[in-house]
Amino acid sequence: EAQVTQNPRYLITVTGKKLTVTCSQNMNHEYMSWYRQDPGLGLRQIYYSMNVEVTDKGDVPEGYKVSRKEKRNFPLILESPSPNQTSLYFCASRVPGGYGYTFGSGTRLTVV
Amino acid sequence: GDSVTQMEGPVTLSEEAFLTINCTYTATGYPSLFWYVQYPGEGLQLLLKATKADDKGSNKGFEATYRKETTSFHLEKGSVQVSDSAVYFCALRVGGYQKVTFGTGTKLQVIP
Repeated sequence: EAQVTQNPRYLITVTGKKLTVTCSQNMNHEYMSWYRQDPGLGLRQIYYSMNVEVTDKGDVPEGYKVSRKEKRNFPLILESPSPNQTSLYFCASRVPGGYGYTFGSGTRLTVV
Repeated sequence: GDSVTQMEGPVTLSEEAFLTINCTYTATGYPSLFWYVQYPGEGLQLLLKATKADDKGSNKGFEATYRKETTSFHLEKGSVQVSDSAVYFCALRVGGYQKVTFGTGTKLQVIP
């Protein structure tokens, strides 16, 4: 089954404790992206990657890092999480051209 | 920059009512337009898309027509069901490798 898999689904952590949210896709998509979803703000792009070793900032990159060492994986790293990073996070992938994203099921992160 | 404006929700309808969710956009180039749906506790799913002016996207009884002259992409369904209750996001992308810009989402609740 074609899918984007994120882990974990839920995470509660404390301020300053480094964490990684994993994302993996099995569709050989070149383009991958991380979004955060907040009430009243919709989805905002954090980082994206057009291919292996090619990443760039989205609209809200502060406090986040990413890497793209393999085509299928695109982890999101929070080196020192803060409460304002409490949010619902989505990983998504697609092929170039007029196609839509395939989204993961989301990771609900709470930073206390 | 690119932006998408959706009507505020929530929208509450009775089963079998007609649905319209308004979406207008501004774009720096010639965008592709999308509607995504998010069911409770899930990631977003592509509902329909249109890639050029006057195209009509359709899926699961939902339709939207790309109107370049009014920069709009309104979502319609002739007869909604309880199972259509979800959050609907309008989105655009300019260029094959560019990011997708999302609206803030419109929550639809259909009551029996």
